[in-house]
Amino acid sequence: AQSVAQPEDQVNVAEGNPLTVKCTYSVSGNPYLFWYVQYPNRGLQFLLKYITGDNLVKGSYGFEAEFNKSQTSFHLKKPSALVSDSALYFCAVRDHSGYSTLTFGKGTMLLVSP
Amino acid sequence: DTAVSQTPKYLVTQMGNDKSIKCEQNLGHDTMYWYKQDSKKFLKIMFSYNNKELIINETVPNRFSPKSPDKAHLNLHINSLELGDSAVYFCASSQGTGANSPLHFGNGTRLTVT
Repeated sequence: AQSVAQPEDQVNVAEGNPLTVKCTYSVSGNPYLFWYVQYPNRGLQFLLKYITGDNLVKGSYGFEAEFNKSQTSFHLKKPSALVSDSALYFCAVRDHSGYSTLTFGKGTMLLVSP
Repeated sequence: DTAVSQTPKYLVTQMGNDKSIKCEQNLGHDTMYWYKQDSKKFLKIMFSYNNKELIINETVPNRFSPKSPDKAHLNLHINSLELGDSAVYFCASSQGTGANSPLHFGNGTRLTVT
């Protein structure tokens, strides 16, 4: 069975500093990996995905994520955090089978202070 | 021009009642989903439909019955509501069942059972 671990319930960072939100995964075979963001009282918004190819994936709002196969990790990063980045972030994994479901991590709350 | 829209946004009802949540997407996608987000923000897949056919049915009580009248609509009917059904229910859609297709989420329906 596939699974995702987000080890931090909350990440605190000052505005202008770099941020990292951690994610590790477990899946049979090669993974499809995703990051989503959820603002209060809203649905999840897609940020970026890793399918194959370059290990560094660039996404929306200046976010990027680094795929590391040996460490089974897909950490979300941003060079300079904004207060408006404060939200709940979800990592998700899917295997390559046709009807596989998307399995989400428990989420990490990112708080960016002014 | 909302992509995935759910109604109602809020639903407060008493135990034992029957209620429905409607979902419509105007993205031209052929796969739709229902997810449940509990009070700890954990997201779990409930159902998935592709071209009006049920393809994923996770371990969900049979009090929950999805219906897809066409590719653009996926409704969720819940019979005999219980306190534990209180949660936020998200509808989502994607193009095809391909594992690399990102999901597009609605803004959720907050169900409160008293």
